[in-house]
Amino acid sequence: AQTVTQSQPEMSVQEAETVTLSCTYDTSESDYYLFWYKQPPSRQMILVIRQEAYKQQNATENRFSVNFQKAAKSFSLKISDSQLGDAAMYFCAYIHQGAQKLVFGQGTRLTINP
Amino acid sequence: EPEVTQTPSHQVTQMGQEVILRCVPISNHLYFYWYRQILGQKVEFLVSFYNNEISEKSEIFDDQFSVERPDGSNFTLKIRSTKLEDSAMYFCASEERASYNSPLHFGNGTRLTVT
Repeated sequence: AQTVTQSQPEMSVQEAETVTLSCTYDTSESDYYLFWYKQPPSRQMILVIRQEAYKQQNATENRFSVNFQKAAKSFSLKISDSQLGDAAMYFCAYIHQGAQKLVFGQGTRLTINP
Repeated sequence: EPEVTQTPSHQVTQMGQEVILRCVPISNHLYFYWYRQILGQKVEFLVSFYNNEISEKSEIFDDQFSVERPDGSNFTLKIRSTKLEDSAMYFCASEERASYNSPLHFGNGTRLTVT
């Protein structure tokens, strides 16, 4: 069975600084997708960034980027120039090709200090 | 931007009672999902639904659970006889097509408290 592990229950960063959230996963599949979702206090899960496993290039979305290490099964999220609005729970998630269900990590609560 | 809407935002019920959690997916979406998150734990997949039938369900989704799309707009999750351990946040999600490039849109969730 596939598993996703986020080893940092909580992280904090000063506004405007950079923070990296860790995620590792376990799978025997070769074709899969990885995601980072943000869950602010409003509770809605919002897709932050997506990575296809067959792509070697790391995905970026404005201030958000990932470090995808396929051999190590690691998928970390880097947030540059942190803003107060980035404060939220962040969930790493996995789905393999042909599957319908996302497998989520435990989440990391990110606090932004002004 | 269109959103997935869930009602109610918080539901309190007594053990053994039936509850129905409601979701209005985005109108042109075809694939629908329920996930749940027990407090302090992972978000877990419950069920996926397409073309008016369940396409996949997890071990959690036992005979106490059912889903329905009664009128072409609402997507409901029914728990027939609630247990204390059903207390959780329940998230509805929808997507336009079953593609990993098609973003999954989540609702704000319904917090279910079983007493």
